[in-house]
Amino acid sequence: RKEVEQDPGPFNVPEGATVAFNCTYSNSASQSFFWYRQDCRKEPKLLMSVYSSGNEDGRFTAQLNRASQYISLLIRDSKLSDSATYLCVVIYTGGGNKLTFGTGTQLKVEL
Amino acid sequence: DAGVTQSPTHLIKTRGQHVTLRCSPISGHKSVSWYQQVLGQGPQFIFQYYEKEERGRGNFPDRFSARQFPNYSSELNVNALLLGDSALYLCASSDPGQGFLAEAFFGQGTRLTVV
Repeated sequence: RKEVEQDPGPFNVPEGATVAFNCTYSNSASQSFFWYRQDCRKEPKLLMSVYSSGNEDGRFTAQLNRASQYISLLIRDSKLSDSATYLCVVIYTGGGNKLTFGTGTQLKVEL
Repeated sequence: DAGVTQSPTHLIKTRGQHVTLRCSPISGHKSVSWYQQVLGQGPQFIFQYYEKEERGRGNFPDRFSARQFPNYSSELNVNALLLGDSALYLCASSDPGQGFLAEAFFGQGTRLTVV
Protein backbone atom coordinates (compact mmCIF):
# COMPACT_ATOMS: atom_id res chain seq x y z
CA ARG A 1 0.00 0.00 0.00
CA LYS A 2 1.31 3.45 -0.91
CA GLU A 3 1.99 5.88 1.92
CA VAL A 4 -0.11 8.58 0.27
CA GLU A 5 -2.89 7.62 -2.13
CA GLN A 6 -4.84 9.77 -4.57
CA ASP A 7 -7.24 9.10 -7.42
CA PRO A 8 -5.11 9.89 -10.49
CA GLY A 9 -8.09 11.15 -12.51
CA PRO A 10 -8.26 12.87 -14.90
CA PHE A 11 -11.14 14.95 -13.65
CA ASN A 12 -12.68 16.78 -16.60
CA VAL A 13 -14.97 19.56 -15.41
CA PRO A 14 -16.63 22.56 -17.06
CA GLU A 15 -15.52 26.05 -16.19
CA GLY A 16 -17.35 27.27 -13.10
CA ALA A 17 -17.80 23.81 -11.60
CA THR A 18 -16.88 22.78 -8.08
CA VAL A 19 -14.49 19.86 -7.84
CA ALA A 20 -13.14 17.92 -4.88
CA PHE A 21 -10.00 15.83 -4.56
CA ASN A 22 -9.33 13.30 -1.84
CA CYS A 23 -6.17 11.86 -0.42
CA THR A 24 -5.52 9.19 2.21
CA TYR A 25 -2.31 8.55 4.10
CA SER A 26 -1.26 5.38 5.86
CA ASN A 27 1.17 6.54 8.55
CA SER A 28 -0.58 7.78 11.67
CA ALA A 29 2.64 9.58 12.66
CA SER A 30 1.97 12.04 9.86
CA GLN A 31 2.53 15.53 11.11
CA SER A 32 1.95 18.08 8.38
CA PHE A 33 -0.04 18.16 5.20
CA PHE A 34 0.03 20.18 2.02
CA TRP A 35 -1.40 20.47 -1.44
CA TYR A 36 1.05 21.21 -4.24
CA ARG A 37 0.15 22.13 -7.80
CA GLN A 38 2.19 20.93 -10.77
CA ASP A 39 1.65 22.24 -14.27
CA CYS A 40 2.57 20.05 -17.23
CA ARG A 41 6.35 19.54 -17.41
CA LYS A 42 6.94 22.09 -14.65
CA GLU A 43 8.06 21.88 -11.04
CA PRO A 44 5.62 21.43 -8.14
CA LYS A 45 4.61 24.60 -6.32
CA LEU A 46 3.00 24.90 -2.90
CA LEU A 47 -0.73 25.62 -3.22
CA MET A 48 -1.66 25.57 0.45
CA SER A 49 -0.97 23.96 3.79
CA VAL A 50 -3.71 21.90 5.40
CA TYR A 51 -4.61 22.56 9.03
CA SER A 52 -6.66 20.44 11.41
CA SER A 53 -9.32 23.12 11.65
CA GLY A 54 -9.58 23.36 7.87
CA ASN A 55 -8.50 26.38 5.92
CA GLU A 56 -9.55 28.42 2.94
CA ASP A 57 -7.64 30.50 0.42
CA GLY A 58 -9.95 32.21 -2.04
CA ARG A 59 -11.65 29.53 -4.13
CA PHE A 60 -9.65 26.74 -2.48
CA THR A 61 -10.60 24.94 0.73
CA ALA A 62 -8.53 22.23 2.41
CA GLN A 63 -9.75 19.84 5.08
CA LEU A 64 -7.96 17.32 7.29
CA ASN A 65 -9.50 14.39 9.15
CA ARG A 66 -6.80 12.84 11.33
CA ALA A 67 -9.07 10.10 12.65
CA SER A 68 -9.75 8.84 9.13
CA GLN A 69 -6.29 9.82 7.84
CA TYR A 70 -7.91 11.72 5.03
CA ILE A 71 -7.22 15.07 3.35
CA SER A 72 -9.36 16.92 0.84
CA LEU A 73 -9.11 19.87 -1.50
CA LEU A 74 -12.18 21.68 -2.81
CA ILE A 75 -11.96 24.07 -5.74
CA ARG A 76 -14.97 26.32 -6.34
CA ASP A 77 -15.77 28.19 -9.55
CA SER A 78 -13.11 26.35 -11.54
CA LYS A 79 -11.07 28.37 -14.01
CA LEU A 80 -9.31 27.17 -17.14
CA SER A 81 -6.07 28.14 -15.39
CA ASP A 82 -6.77 25.62 -12.62
CA SER A 83 -5.95 22.81 -15.06
CA ALA A 84 -2.96 21.06 -13.53
CA THR A 85 -2.00 18.06 -11.41
CA TYR A 86 -2.69 18.42 -7.70
CA LEU A 87 -0.30 16.59 -5.42
CA CYS A 88 -1.13 15.61 -1.85
CA VAL A 89 1.95 15.84 0.38
CA VAL A 90 2.63 14.57 3.89
CA ILE A 91 5.50 15.12 6.29
CA TYR A 92 6.00 12.44 8.96
CA THR A 93 7.06 13.04 12.54
CA GLY A 94 10.79 12.54 12.75
CA GLY A 95 11.11 12.61 8.99
CA GLY A 96 12.93 15.91 8.87
CA ASN A 97 11.62 18.01 6.04
CA LYS A 98 11.15 15.02 3.71
CA LEU A 99 8.04 15.41 1.58
CA THR A 100 6.04 12.27 0.79
CA PHE A 101 3.96 12.82 -2.32
CA GLY A 102 0.88 11.11 -3.63
CA THR A 103 0.64 10.18 -7.29
CA GLY A 104 -1.26 13.37 -8.04
CA THR A 105 -4.75 14.02 -9.41
CA GLN A 106 -5.02 15.54 -12.86
CA LEU A 107 -7.63 18.25 -13.35
CA LYS A 108 -8.77 19.50 -16.75
CA VAL A 109 -11.13 22.46 -16.76
CA GLU A 110 -12.95 22.87 -20.07
CA LEU A 111 -15.01 25.61 -21.68
CA ASP B 1 15.74 37.08 -6.70
CA ALA B 2 16.90 33.88 -8.35
CA GLY B 3 14.95 30.80 -7.46
CA VAL B 4 16.33 27.28 -7.30
CA THR B 5 18.37 26.63 -10.41
CA GLN B 6 19.22 23.23 -11.82
CA SER B 7 21.52 22.19 -14.61
CA PRO B 8 21.35 20.80 -17.14
CA THR B 9 17.66 21.07 -18.01
CA HIS B 10 17.74 18.05 -20.30
CA LEU B 11 20.16 15.17 -20.62
CA ILE B 12 20.37 11.99 -22.67
CA LYS B 13 22.66 9.22 -21.45
CA THR B 14 23.36 5.63 -22.40
CA ARG B 15 22.82 2.66 -20.09
CA GLY B 16 25.84 2.07 -17.88
CA GLN B 17 27.04 5.66 -17.97
CA HIS B 18 27.08 7.96 -14.99
CA VAL B 19 25.53 11.38 -14.63
CA THR B 20 25.98 14.43 -12.40
CA LEU B 21 23.11 16.82 -11.82
CA ARG B 22 23.60 20.19 -10.19
CA CYS B 23 21.45 22.42 -8.02
CA SER B 24 21.88 25.93 -6.64
CA PRO B 25 19.45 26.73 -3.82
CA ILE B 26 17.80 30.03 -3.16
CA SER B 27 20.27 32.43 -1.58
CA GLY B 28 20.28 31.90 2.18
CA HIS B 29 18.73 28.44 2.04
CA LYS B 30 20.92 25.83 3.68
CA SER B 31 18.82 22.73 3.07
CA VAL B 32 18.68 20.95 -0.27
CA SER B 33 16.64 17.87 -1.12
CA TRP B 34 16.55 15.73 -4.25
CA TYR B 35 13.49 13.99 -5.69
CA GLN B 36 12.92 11.66 -8.62
CA GLN B 37 9.66 11.93 -10.57
CA VAL B 38 8.89 9.28 -13.15
CA LEU B 39 6.11 9.90 -15.62
CA GLY B 40 2.66 9.60 -14.09
CA GLN B 41 3.93 9.46 -10.51
CA GLY B 42 4.53 11.92 -7.72
CA PRO B 43 8.09 12.90 -6.78
CA GLN B 44 9.99 10.35 -4.67
CA PHE B 45 12.47 11.49 -2.03
CA ILE B 46 16.11 10.62 -2.70
CA PHE B 47 18.30 12.69 -0.35
CA GLN B 48 18.25 15.64 1.98
CA TYR B 49 21.32 17.69 2.90
CA TYR B 50 21.62 20.38 5.51
CA GLU B 51 24.79 22.23 6.35
CA LYS B 52 26.73 19.86 4.09
CA GLU B 53 25.62 16.77 5.98
CA GLU B 54 23.23 14.08 4.78
CA ARG B 55 20.08 14.31 6.88
CA GLY B 56 17.90 11.83 5.08
CA ARG B 57 18.03 9.13 2.43
CA GLY B 58 15.16 7.58 0.53
CA ASN B 59 14.80 4.03 -0.74
CA PHE B 60 17.22 4.27 -3.65
CA PRO B 61 20.19 2.01 -4.50
CA ASP B 62 23.78 2.90 -3.72
CA ARG B 63 24.22 3.93 -7.34
CA PHE B 64 22.69 7.20 -6.21
CA SER B 65 24.87 9.57 -4.20
CA ALA B 66 24.91 13.25 -3.46
CA ARG B 67 26.85 15.93 -1.70
CA GLN B 68 26.47 19.53 -0.63
CA PHE B 69 29.18 22.13 -0.97
CA PRO B 70 30.18 24.98 1.38
CA ASN B 71 28.11 27.40 -0.70
CA TYR B 72 25.10 25.06 -0.17
CA SER B 73 24.88 24.05 -3.80
CA SER B 74 24.49 20.33 -4.36
CA GLU B 75 25.23 17.56 -6.81
CA LEU B 76 23.35 14.33 -7.39
CA ASN B 77 25.36 11.53 -8.94
CA VAL B 78 23.95 8.39 -10.48
CA ASN B 79 26.25 5.57 -11.57
CA ALA B 80 25.62 2.62 -13.88
CA LEU B 81 22.49 4.18 -15.35
CA LEU B 82 19.50 1.98 -16.04
CA LEU B 83 16.58 2.62 -18.36
CA GLY B 84 14.41 2.96 -15.26
CA ASP B 85 16.43 5.95 -14.10
CA SER B 86 14.77 8.01 -16.82
CA ALA B 87 12.84 10.66 -14.93
CA LEU B 88 12.57 14.29 -13.95
CA TYR B 89 15.03 15.00 -11.13
CA LEU B 90 13.90 17.81 -8.89
CA CYS B 91 15.91 19.79 -6.39
CA ALA B 92 14.19 21.63 -3.56
CA SER B 93 15.64 24.17 -1.17
CA SER B 94 14.29 25.40 2.13
CA ASP B 95 15.37 27.59 4.99
CA PRO B 96 15.04 25.73 8.29
CA GLY B 97 15.65 29.06 9.97
CA GLN B 98 12.08 29.86 8.98
CA GLY B 99 10.81 26.99 11.07
CA PHE B 100 10.74 23.24 10.95
CA LEU B 101 8.14 23.17 8.21
CA ALA B 102 9.61 25.85 6.03
CA GLU B 103 8.22 25.82 2.51
CA ALA B 104 10.23 23.82 0.00
CA PHE B 105 10.89 25.60 -3.28
CA PHE B 106 11.55 23.42 -6.30
CA GLY B 107 13.79 24.02 -9.27
CA GLN B 108 12.54 23.40 -12.78
CA GLY B 109 14.17 19.98 -12.77
CA THR B 110 16.55 18.03 -14.96
CA ARG B 111 14.87 15.69 -17.39
CA LEU B 112 17.11 12.64 -17.75
CA THR B 113 16.54 10.13 -20.53
CA VAL B 114 18.51 6.88 -20.48
CA VAL B 115 18.65 5.01 -23.79
